[in-house]
Amino acid sequence: GQSLEQPSEVTAVEGAIVQINCTYQTSGFYGLSWYQQHDGGAPTFLSYNALDGLEETGRFSSFLSRSDSYGYLLLQELQMKDSASYFCAQGDTGFQKLVFGTGTRLLVSP
Amino acid sequence: GAVVSQHPSRVICKSGTSVKIECRSLDFQATTMFWYRQFPKQSLMLMATSNEGSKATYEQGVEKDKFLINHASLTLSTLTVTSAHPEDSSFYICSATTTGSEQYFGPGTRLTVT
Repeated sequence: GQSLEQPSEVTAVEGAIVQINCTYQTSGFYGLSWYQQHDGGAPTFLSYNALDGLEETGRFSSFLSRSDSYGYLLLQELQMKDSASYFCAQGDTGFQKLVFGTGTRLLVSP
Repeated sequence: GAVVSQHPSRVICKSGTSVKIECRSLDFQATTMFWYRQFPKQSLMLMATSNEGSKATYEQGVEKDKFLINHASLTLSTLTVTSAHPEDSSFYICSATTTGSEQYFGPGTRLTVT
């Protein structure tokens, strides 16, 4: 099946910038989404890329390169509340049938 | 807008019993609902896709006779875990979507089978 690979854990300090990478398989690829999930909570949508390039939404930006089957989530001005798990997800048609990445646990320290 | 609820939020049941989890879209009509399972410190794994009024489509490796899904209306889907065993203990999350929209996730249901 499809698999999306992410680093398992990333650590950073408050105020810093961190990049979370995601490599995906091209089979049935339509677009790449990013979700944040706090422990015990629901995933919340952060960003979506269907085309190559950068999408910016406040402190969060997401980038996609279809030719490299690669994307990343960029978090700026990190805050303690950003400590959570982050997942990339590949959709086959828009947001239908998402396949989630392995997930990255972000730990933000003071 | 776009709120999805799940009930119950937590449930403990004994091995061999069945448990039903409800997923509701509160302020929109969901053409499709999805059910995911998430084990501790792991990713979300899609179990099945449910369209209103039709049979659910299960992912490979998911037992359709064990995980019964009913999508009786555009705002309600249910997942019944039949003859639950401790290995079924997990976090079950539903999501709902309309055509072309993002998936809106419910808050999840923590199932513990003793």
